[in-house]
Parts: sequence; structure tokens; C-alpha cells
Amino acid sequence: DIQMTQSPSSLSAAVGDRVTITCRPSETISKYLNWYQQKPGKAPKLLIYAASTLQTGVPSRFSGSGSGTDFTLTISSLQPEDFATYYCQQSYSTPRTFGQGTKVEIK
Amino acid sequence: EVQLVESGGGLVQPGGSLRLSCAASGFTFSVYDMHWVRQVTGKGLEWVSGIGVGGDTYYSGSVRGRFTISRENAKNSLYLQMNNLRAGDTAVYYCARDGSWGSGSNYYYAMDVWGQGTTVTVSS
Repeated sequence: DIQMTQSPSSLSAAVGDRVTITCRPSETISKYLNWYQQKPGKAPKLLIYAASTLQTGVPSRFSGSGSGTDFTLTISSLQPEDFATYYCQQSYSTPRTFGQGTKVEIK
Repeated sequence: EVQLVESGGGLVQPGGSLRLSCAASGFTFSVYDMHWVRQVTGKGLEWVSGIGVGGDTYYSGSVRGRFTISRENAKNSLYLQMNNLRAGDTAVYYCARDGSWGSGSNYYYAMDVWGQGTTVTVSS
């Protein structure tokens, strides 16, 4: 199974800050990397697929980059509604493993 | 409106069984792979099982041999039969649609539609 390691596990940031979350799979996955946002008590929401393609309706302040074994989710200017937990997931092989999550909290 | 609605969760004793259902609407269910993902309270997401449009099935190591995923396209429904349940299976279970993007031989997949989740509690 491919292990997905996210860092950091949590971070505190202020509205307007630039936030970067890293995801590293245990083996190369080309660009088969997705990012999800989850708010408390809600289902996850797809933000980015294929490492860098924004899902329809997702604000452009979100961006993704990377390939192989090194990926990044960036929020260019953090908004109040962005405080949530973010997960990466690989879709290169089954099982479709997730990272452990990064909780973005208000500073 | 594209929608997934799970049902069937509840309280069950260790060793017991439960069948989860996921009703799909607003899209052509039969052309999508589907998945079950679970989340223990306060923990991360765990992929549980998936089923392809042709009925091919996939399971995580933690549920293989105990859980069975199935689909009934005529009813736009996805199921998860859970047997020999353990305390560690206690979680919110989500069904999710596997969206695909690409062309030719290069497609990318991601879970683009999720249900609201149904809670399974395994306890005596």
C-alpha cells in the first residue's frame, strides 16, 4: 500500500496568510494526487484533482502542484471559511490511501 | 441535483452484521465507480472499499473477508454488507462517487460527490 504523509499535522494562521501543506507518498504516483477539504460534521469536499486541477467552483486562491513523490496545496490568502482539515489522497493504486490530515486553525 | 444519501447505520454488537445503503440521484449511477470511506470520530479518512462499473470489487486489508460491496444499477444504489463487526469498525461511513477526467489512456480519478455519512457504532 502507498503511504501518504502530510505535513504539518496542524497549523495556525491568520486571515490573509499564505498557507502551504505538503504531501509525500511513499512511492511515485505521477500526478495521481487529490486534495480534499473537510469541515467539522461535514463530508469531505474535493478541491483539486490530478495534482493541480481545480474542481469546478473552488476559489482560485487554492492551488496544487507537484508530481512523483512531492506535492503541495497552497492557499494564497486564507479566508475565514478556509479553516478546516485538509487531506491528500492518491488515486494511483488501490487502496486509495489518504494522508493523515492537516488542521488549519485560526491564529 | 447530484446527491448521495446513506442509510442503514446504527448500534450493533461485536460480531454482528449491518448493511449500509447509498441512494444516488441526479446522475447516471451505472457509469461511475463508487466507494465507501469511513472516519472514526476525531480521526482521518480511511478508504474501505470500491466497486467498478463492471462489478469488480476492492477492499482494504482491514475489512477484506468481512465486508462486501455491491451495487444495483436499476435502483441507483450502492451497498456495504458488514459482517463480524468489531469495535474498530465504529465510524461514520461515507459513500462517494469516483469522478474521472482525461482522454485516451490517461484518466485521473477523485471522489467528487460524497454523501452526508451514516454512523455505525459497534458496542456491547
